[in-house]
Amino acid sequence: DAGITQSPRHKVTETGTPVTLRCHQTENHRYMYWYRQDPGHGLRLIHYSYGVKDTDKGEVSDGYSVSRSKTEDFLLTLESATSSQTSVYFCAIRGAGGVHYTDTQYFGPGTRLTVL
Amino acid sequence: QKEVEQNSGPLSVPEGAIASLNCTYSDRVSQSFFWYRQYSGKSPELIMSIYSNGDKEDGRFTAQLNKASQYVSLLIRDSQPSDSATYLCAVNNPNFGNEKLTFGTGTRLTIIP
Repeated sequence: DAGITQSPRHKVTETGTPVTLRCHQTENHRYMYWYRQDPGHGLRLIHYSYGVKDTDKGEVSDGYSVSRSKTEDFLLTLESATSSQTSVYFCAIRGAGGVHYTDTQYFGPGTRLTVL
Repeated sequence: QKEVEQNSGPLSVPEGAIASLNCTYSDRVSQSFFWYRQYSGKSPELIMSIYSNGDKEDGRFTAQLNKASQYVSLLIRDSQPSDSATYLCAVNNPNFGNEKLTFGTGTRLTIIP
């Protein structure tokens, strides 16, 4: 357990609506990540953050935006949800020593999002 | 060519036998390699990391790395039904140091009692 929570854990929404997923960590990790996981595609990086207000795109960033105004929170926003964004979304942190290896990613519990 | 490739399985292994999971990667300069286990409906959890050629053992798990052949494997000895899960291989993206990992699609392992 890397002290990561995600909210909501489940969400059903309609096409065209905005959706925001929240990742919260309690251990002051610098790096945070958002992935989506789909059958046949594995885990794919959407966006990541390397500090407050410092973010960068991953391989599947189209249709997503992120924000990080505090170290502990990393928000993922779907500006206008589409059915192709139905997926399981995982937040991860990169370990920073102590009980966590410094180059290893640890995952939150996930959010299952369904876009109708 | 996928950057990290795994056989999707399912791989079925009798209880008590050795399960062997394989992963190949495309970028020769990758330096960090990870195995994650993911139970159905749960998040991935780290099992092993390996950075140097050879074997690394942790309990019933052994990770093997061969950089010349660009493959990494995971052996599970004395397989138990609780080992039934999907196993994900992850490799660091050398263009970003250890900031980014690339994941394989995973191998589903079933241990048959």
